Amino acid sequence: EAGVTQFPSHSVIEKGQTVTLRCDPISGHDNLYWYRRVMGKEIKFLLHFVKESKQDESGMPNNRFLAERTGGTYSTLKVQPAELEDSGVYFCASSPTMTSGNTDTQYFGPGTRLTVL
Amino acid sequence: GQNIDQPTEMTATEGAIVQINCTYQTSGFNGLFWYQQHAGEAPTFLSYNVLDGLEEKGRFSSFLSRSKGYSYLLLKELQMKDSASYLCAVRDIGWGKLQFGAGTQVVVTP
Repeated sequence: EAGVTQFPSHSVIEKGQTVTLRCDPISGHDNLYWYRRVMGKEIKFLLHFVKESKQDESGMPNNRFLAERTGGTYSTLKVQPAELEDSGVYFCASSPTMTSGNTDTQYFGPGTRLTVL
Repeated sequence: GQNIDQPTEMTATEGAIVQINCTYQTSGFNGLFWYQQHAGEAPTFLSYNVLDGLEEKGRFSSFLSRSKGYSYLLLKELQMKDSASYLCAVRDIGWGKLQFGAGTQVVVTP
């Protein structure tokens, strides 16, 4: 079974430019999460989709960040315009719908390393 | 406030045992996860505790005490490939977002 994949693996852009990150979850997983790790800090939650609906956006830092999950499959996270403090590693995770038989474990992708110059 | 604390770094010898402690203070609790992360790779799920007690999975065990807000991950028979960062994460109630500690870098020496 393919794991969570993310594209690109690295992105270097200049301040003020736009970048779009993509996440393909494990097939059949309804839950999709975005997280971010900035230099020297812990991984922090950004938002959570259940299928195509945004369930929790409490971690989104500001309105320069826009996440979508049209059709409930892959997701994109756009940063526009990018600022220096947006540099970090952006992780995506997915999990199946919680039932009595599973722990709703989140499986992570390898991340996209974003550098804003 | 919300806080998840774990040591920054631990060093141990190949074949030895290492215990990584994690203490947490969070507004909600619906399980505690341990992940392993090698540099530049995805965090990989290791273990999960939601009830008090010990969960054993091969060379790895994890313990939880909810009343103390405390967990540990025990790595036995250390191998060189176990050198990695170990992340403690608490799952929130409701929709289940994870709150992470900063990670513990384990260095295994020959």
